[in-house]
Amino acid sequence: GQQVMQIPQYQHVQEGEDFTTYCNSSTTLSNIQWYKQRPGGHPVFLIQLVKSGEVKKQKRLTFQFGEAKKNSSLHITATQTTDVGTYFCAGPRSGGYQKVTFGTGTKLQVIP
Amino acid sequence: NAGVTQTPKFRVLKTGQSMTLLCAQDMNHEYMYWYRQDPGMGLRLIHYSVGEGTTAKGEVPDGYNVSRLKKQNFLLGLESAAPSQTSVYFCASSYSRTSGSSGANVLTFGAGSRLTVL
Repeated sequence: GQQVMQIPQYQHVQEGEDFTTYCNSSTTLSNIQWYKQRPGGHPVFLIQLVKSGEVKKQKRLTFQFGEAKKNSSLHITATQTTDVGTYFCAGPRSGGYQKVTFGTGTKLQVIP
Repeated sequence: NAGVTQTPKFRVLKTGQSMTLLCAQDMNHEYMYWYRQDPGMGLRLIHYSVGEGTTAKGEVPDGYNVSRLKKQNFLLGLESAAPSQTSVYFCASSYSRTSGSSGANVLTFGAGSRLTVL
């Protein structure tokens, strides 16, 4: 079955440092989404990438979708304490599948 | 507009007991999903539904049953609870956009249901 791995599993950074999490799928994805889950909360949609090689920015966050549509990354510039949480990538296999498989997640801690 | 509502929020069961988690959405979404979240395991898909009256298995369906009798509701049942089913359960829903198009498969989650099986 489809597997989606994320690295690292945990990351501690000093406030102001940059942070990157990487997402790798065992199958080609139709699209990729990123979600953020605050401690004790539920996943909240951040962004979706659909095209091969696509790059999108949201303020300090930069998202990339790989050329082969099997990997993605999220980069946060100058982290803030409000960035604390677990970041998940997710996506369905290409080919019209509706099962959305989530990555294992990266838990980000920001030290003030 | 409530979005996705899950009930109950918390529940403690004894091994062998049964229960049903209810998910209701008011966004007219076609697709609905049940995930479980365990430490270090991310979110794993239990069952999902692409429309009223239809259900399909996800990655970890054993020990669970689901029903989608109405478009807005998706029920997750545990017939005989086991300690391994202790988890946080999330329901989610999405529109049925064409896969590969913008907005396809974008999930809106409920607040979660924390289940403990003793």
